[in-house]
Amino acid sequence: DQQVKQNSPSLSVQEGRISILNCDYTNSMFDYFLWYKKYPAEGPTFLISISSIKDKNEDGRFTVFLNKSAKHLSLHIVPSQPGDSAVYFCAAMDTGRRALTFGSGTRLQVQP
Amino acid sequence: DAGVIQSPRHEVTEMGQEVTLRCKPISGHDYLFWYRQTMMRGLELLIYFNNNVPIDDSGMPEDRFSAKMPNASFSTLKIQPSEPRDSAVYFCASSLASGSYSEQFFGPGTRLTVL
Repeated sequence: DQQVKQNSPSLSVQEGRISILNCDYTNSMFDYFLWYKKYPAEGPTFLISISSIKDKNEDGRFTVFLNKSAKHLSLHIVPSQPGDSAVYFCAAMDTGRRALTFGSGTRLQVQP
Repeated sequence: DAGVIQSPRHEVTEMGQEVTLRCKPISGHDYLFWYRQTMMRGLELLIYFNNNVPIDDSGMPEDRFSAKMPNASFSTLKIQPSEPRDSAVYFCASSLASGSYSEQFFGPGTRLTVL
């Protein structure tokens, strides 16, 4: 039973345009959400997070939106750059438990 | 800080052999996590420790897997005996216990191939 789902395995966008990556979750106990970025042969690195008490968090070119009623979050990257090409994982946490539950990842390719 | 250190980076072994993966967390971090990444199941939690004590091992696939954290700066994940289906990338991560959440810092992973 996948508690965190990323339904798009891949996404291709042009440099300078917006990239939108989506994530859905089913577990109502999740109260903290994170996005991780992963390059080949490296471990995931933290990108941005959002608490369930907020609906938006912004950090430079990266913005995460949370819709609790729909159990949906999205990551917006504006403008997209070729260096953003990587696999993006959505992760969720029940902060009482600490461990992360990951989605299956979306491979983003930004075309120059 | 050097970040989370994992060794070896690559391991190739034959079915039935014992495999030991090692992890050195970031100094001062209270939590240590072991994850496994496979094509079929993605990134999944195996076990995590808080202050060297195992807290949740519900993700450990079976008795062939065991993990220890003898001190704050070292953890091992052992597979005995190994099977081809154990082939995966194994990640170690660590985090601080500040607040109600904490960013997890991942190591580079160990790619395990069991023939």
